[in-house]
Amino acid sequence: GAGVSQTPSNKVTEKGKYVELRCDPISGHTALYWYRQSLGQGPEFLIYFQGTGAADDSGLPNDRFFAVRPEGSVSTLKIQRTERGDSAVYLCASSQKGLAGGYNEQFFGPGTRLTVL
Amino acid sequence: KQEVTQIPAALSVPEGENLVLNCSFTDSAIYNLQWFRQDPGKGLTSLLLIQSSQREQTSGRLNASLDKSSGRSTLYIAASQPGDSATYLCAVTDSWGKLQFGAGTQVVVTP
Repeated sequence: GAGVSQTPSNKVTEKGKYVELRCDPISGHTALYWYRQSLGQGPEFLIYFQGTGAADDSGLPNDRFFAVRPEGSVSTLKIQRTERGDSAVYLCASSQKGLAGGYNEQFFGPGTRLTVL
Repeated sequence: KQEVTQIPAALSVPEGENLVLNCSFTDSAIYNLQWFRQDPGKGLTSLLLIQSSQREQTSGRLNASLDKSSGRSTLYIAASQPGDSATYLCAVTDSWGKLQFGAGTQVVVTP
């Protein structure tokens, strides 16, 4: 596809359960970002991948959150022992880093709405 | 610590009026500033990206200015239409591309 895709679009789970959220970036984009958006707020940064490695995970709220990008394309955000406060929309974005580095425009997916009951 | 503020939080205008949306940031050491549009229940659509060395960017009815030294950006939307109704978010970036967002301005354009 032409854009960033995220699955599932909606996820309802019970407190204490484990969830995985998937992001498919635009083909060829080496940079991938995860953000979390609570109601009425702007998105907050969680983690940034350059290729397969997490270049910056300073936004992950605690060790229940983990993300991987094993082949430098698809990424999975994993949340263990979910809590009601984890309920939010989780957004993924990708951008194409040039050879000289620097920032390129980020393109966002539609998000996954996570509800923890 | 960088803080991004958007004023007003909500705005309602009749169709045809020009829209002026404000964004301020506390740390002028930004790499870029980007304006996004978000429709209810949807992801973000990039509207304009202003490099830190630029003063403004234009796309159609949209014009965004950037004054890095004073920590301000303004998004102008000319001749507003009901289809412009959405939440508009500004975000500043560091050199890694990490975006820091404001809380957004919710815009309603009435026919």
